Amino acid sequence: EPEVTQTPSHQVTQMGQEVILRCVPISNHLYFYWYRQILGQKVEFLVSFYNNEISEKSEIFDDQFSVERPDGSNFTLKIRSTKLEDSAMYFCASSRGTVYGYTFGSGTRLTVV
Amino acid sequence: GNSVTQMEGPVTLSEEAFLTINCTYTATGYPSLFWYVQYPGEGLQLLLKATKADDKGSNKGFEATYRKETTSFHLEKGSVQVSDSAVYFCARHNNAGNMLTFGGGTRLMVKP
Repeated sequence: EPEVTQTPSHQVTQMGQEVILRCVPISNHLYFYWYRQILGQKVEFLVSFYNNEISEKSEIFDDQFSVERPDGSNFTLKIRSTKLEDSAMYFCASSRGTVYGYTFGSGTRLTVV
Repeated sequence: GNSVTQMEGPVTLSEEAFLTINCTYTATGYPSLFWYVQYPGEGLQLLLKATKADDKGSNKGFEATYRKETTSFHLEKGSVQVSDSAVYFCARHNNAGNMLTFGGGTRLMVKP
């Protein structure tokens, strides 16, 4: 069964550093998403991406965050200057269309120290 | 706005017991509704979905019926197994279908 692949599985970074989280969505999917889950808490929407542009974003997704689909297969989330409160599990997801469920990756655990 | 409310856990059951996890959503439009499951240390897996009123989603013995009149999408299973122990998330699409809003999650623990 096709999978969404995320790398790395765990990243530790110093506060103020930039991080890039990488995702390879399912190849025939058109919609891409990033979510995060702070330990033991709710799954929070960050951003959705369709047709090479952001289609929706949450208030969490401020100027420190950006997304890119650099080469037609990867989908990246960049955090420019990480804060302690950015520590969370970040999930990438993709879907075929708006009435379908999403396929999630296994996540990247980001720890900001 | 779009919100999803589900019962707080943990829910602890014995094997073969009947499971219900309640979920209600705000009634803006006619969103698609979903249940996701997260096993320990893993990502979110789609368990089942329903796209319109009175639809019943089902998978692996789990069922949920889209109830427009009560804005609910309760998850049920007739006989749980230890392997069903996980966190279950109810979710809804926004009207544009480009954002999923999740409930807070309900941890299920099934004891042998």
